[in-house]
Amino acid sequence: DAKTTQPPSMDCAEGRAANLPCNHSTISGNEYVYWYRQIHSQGPQYIIHGLKNNETNEMASLIITEDRKSSTLILPHATLRDTAVYYCIVRVKGSSNTGKLIFGQGTTLQVKP
Amino acid sequence: SAVISQKPSRDICQRGTSLTIQCQVDSQVTMMFWYRQQPGQSLTLIATANQGSEATYESGFVIDKFPISRPNLTFSTLTVSNMSPEDSSIYLCSVSGGGNEQYFGPGTRLTVT
Repeated sequence: DAKTTQPPSMDCAEGRAANLPCNHSTISGNEYVYWYRQIHSQGPQYIIHGLKNNETNEMASLIITEDRKSSTLILPHATLRDTAVYYCIVRVKGSSNTGKLIFGQGTTLQVKP
Repeated sequence: SAVISQKPSRDICQRGTSLTIQCQVDSQVTMMFWYRQQPGQSLTLIATANQGSEATYESGFVIDKFPISRPNLTFSTLTVSNMSPEDSSIYLCSVSGGGNEQYFGPGTRLTVT
């Protein structure tokens, strides 16, 4: 199973872009990169995922390097409500092909006024 | 997206007793997942529950301690048996969406005294 490495914490000024890095150097060719976030006392929320191409949705953009060994989640205009723990996860396929998610420690993003 | 509810939202239980947590989804899903989040920690997958078959448990989790039922495609239960203070955690259920993402319930906060 590919592992991910994220900085434990980051700060961002409100209204600025938040760029959250993730290393996944052992990712295999059929594994996707997923991003979730967990706001305090809530269940994790899906943000975005990608395989090799950059992706954008209404919440964020995901930039994956060409060698797929790292990625960056971009929140273009961070607000105070974006303060959360952000998890970068590589989707694993177990023997039953469940697509289960393995969570690391994530990055605690603090958006400051 | 899927809307997931859990009952109870929180409980305080005495050691040696058992608690059954319910998870209800607003649409039919094949796979449901149960996670544990110990205080200050990330999420750990307990088991995967498919309708009509035995749950598949992750390393370190056993059926006698965490029996799971999956009677239909919208409902599952997780029982935490013979509880000890070390079982104090948030327990979350999740389901897979059509686009490989997962949706999480709000969690059940369990405190064992």
